[in-house]
Formats: sequence, C-alpha cells, structure tokens
Amino acid sequence: AQTVTQSQPEMSVQEAETVTLSCTYDTSESDYYLFWYKQPPSRQMILVIRQEAYKQQNATENRFSVNFQKAAKSFSLKISDSQLGDAAMYFCASGGYNNNDMRFGAGTRLTVKP
Amino acid sequence: ETGVTQTPRHLVMGMTNKKSLKCEQHLGHNAMYWYKQSAKKPLELMFVYNFKEQTENNSVPSRFSPECPNSSHLFLHLHTLQPEDSALYLCASSQVWDGELFFGEGSRLTVL
Repeated sequence: AQTVTQSQPEMSVQEAETVTLSCTYDTSESDYYLFWYKQPPSRQMILVIRQEAYKQQNATENRFSVNFQKAAKSFSLKISDSQLGDAAMYFCASGGYNNNDMRFGAGTRLTVKP
Repeated sequence: ETGVTQTPRHLVMGMTNKKSLKCEQHLGHNAMYWYKQSAKKPLELMFVYNFKEQTENNSVPSRFSPECPNSSHLFLHLHTLQPEDSALYLCASSQVWDGELFFGEGSRLTVL
C-alpha cells in the first residue's frame, strides 16, 4: 500500500509571490504516478500537475512546477506568481499503474493574501 | 454536462434510513471510484470498479453497498449509518490504465 504525507496543514502566500507545498510518499511500486490536485472551496477537485516516476525531468504547467526527488520520495509543488484564484486545498496523491491503490495526503490549505 | 455528476449534493439522514448516492460520468472512462473525505484526514479510498467489476473494497463496513450497473453509473447505497459516517463522499472516474482521476463535486452526507 502507498502512503502520502503532507506536513503543512496550512500555508499562506502573498499575491504575486512564490510558495512551495511539501509532500512525501512511500511506495513499494517500481513504476507509479504522482499528482497534485486542487480543491477550491465548495468546488470539485481538479488536477494541477502530474509526474510519471520514470521521468527524471520535473513536470511544469505554466505557473506550477514540481521538485521530484525520487530517492528521497519527495514531491513538492511550487506555485509562482500566486493569484487569488490559487486559494484552495491542495492534495498530493500517489498511485501505481494498478488503479486500485491511488492514495492521497491530508491536504494543505493555501491562503493567498492580496 | 460536467464530466462527473453527483446527486444529491447534500443529504441528511437518520441512522435508520436507507438512501443512495448517485454518480454519472460522461467522459467515456472505464473505471469509477468512491472516496470518503473527512476534515483534516486523507481521502479514503472505498471502492473501485473497473469495467463494471468491483476490484477493490478497502475494508468498508457493509452498511455501505456499492453498485455499478454500467461503466457510466455508480451508486452508493446507504443503510443504518452512524454519525461518524458524516462526510463528503466523492465519486471519480478514470481510464483503467491512466492514473488521473476526474472528480465530481461530492455529496455532503450528514447522519443524525
């Protein structure tokens, strides 16, 4: 089974600044996926960014990028030029290619200050 | 139509009631999931259906009974629930071979 740990229950960032959300995971799989999902208040969870573990290059999606450290089993999310619309719960997730084992962390609540 | 639709959005029920949550996906996916989301806890995977066949039951109490009549619809039948079952229940879908989940907005359940 996989476990995912997010050590920051809450984070705050000033608008236009950069913030990094932490995530560590544990897995016995050799091939697996890593994800960051965003859940705005009272709205559905959506994918922010994904990383296949076999890829060495860190994924980027516009203002969102990850720092994937496979040996350390660390997968942090960096949000650059933070916007008010980035305020949400952010969940880190890990899953093997067997889709029966997608696990999530407890989430980090991000507040963006104007 | 949104990709994954859940009804009802809110449900209040007594401990002796029987109710059902419904999920429908319009994305052509072949896997569907139920997750339980409680405050300050990781999402808990409850059930997984691949090609309409249940492939995972994550030690969920029998008072929760899933049903997947086809690859587009998923139900969660509820009976004799406990107050600690109050939570947001999320439905998701995906392609079996791809890990990305597409979520519905959730059904907020309150058990009195």
